[in-house]
Amino acid sequence: AQSVAQPEDQVNVAEGNPLTVKCTYSVSGNPYLFWYVQYPNRGLQFLLKYITGDNLVKGSYGFEAEFNKSQTSFHLKKPSALVSDSALYFCAVRASGGSYIPTFGRGTSLIVHP
Amino acid sequence: NAGVTQTPKFQVLKTGQSMTLQCAQDMNHEYMSWYRQDPGMGLRLIHYSVGAGITDQGEVPNGYNVSRSTTEDFPLRLLSAAPSQTSVYFCASSYSTGGLYGYTFGSGTRLTVV
Repeated sequence: AQSVAQPEDQVNVAEGNPLTVKCTYSVSGNPYLFWYVQYPNRGLQFLLKYITGDNLVKGSYGFEAEFNKSQTSFHLKKPSALVSDSALYFCAVRASGGSYIPTFGRGTSLIVHP
Repeated sequence: NAGVTQTPKFQVLKTGQSMTLQCAQDMNHEYMSWYRQDPGMGLRLIHYSVGAGITDQGEVPNGYNVSRSTTEDFPLRLLSAAPSQTSVYFCASSYSTGGLYGYTFGSGTRLTVV
């Protein structure tokens, strides 16, 4: 079985400050990990993924995520938050190999204050 | 513009009524899926398809039917709507089942069952 946890329902950060949205996972074997963003009244948009290789993955809109195998985590980060980053963020995980379908977390609402 | 198109955007149904949520993609994606999004529950997979003529159940399939007669279209049918089916529904597609290149989501259908 595979599962993902986003321990924070909401994250508040001031504009210009660094932001972190947390994600931990459980999967058999090696994981494939993903982050998606959902703006109000829109569908989810793919941000970035970790498949293999460098533990620091860079994605769209200046976001990056760090894979930590020992802590089974894949936290989303950005060095300097923008008000326009305010949205709902979803982490997803699947087992590597085969055709497994990713399991999505419950989502974390990021609010960036001016 | 290429992408996933969902219709309608909004719908109100009475308990017991039936309806079909439409989903079409023009990216020649083999994989298509339906999710429902509920507050605090994240995204839950209803049904998915790995190609024309092939469908399978996801996490919460009860009360929903699907078929896939063409690569482009993947409609979701509610045969007898219930208030518990009040939700936001998203259709997603991808080159591969596992979403290694990311899923492309539609903008959603907000369904209310009264």
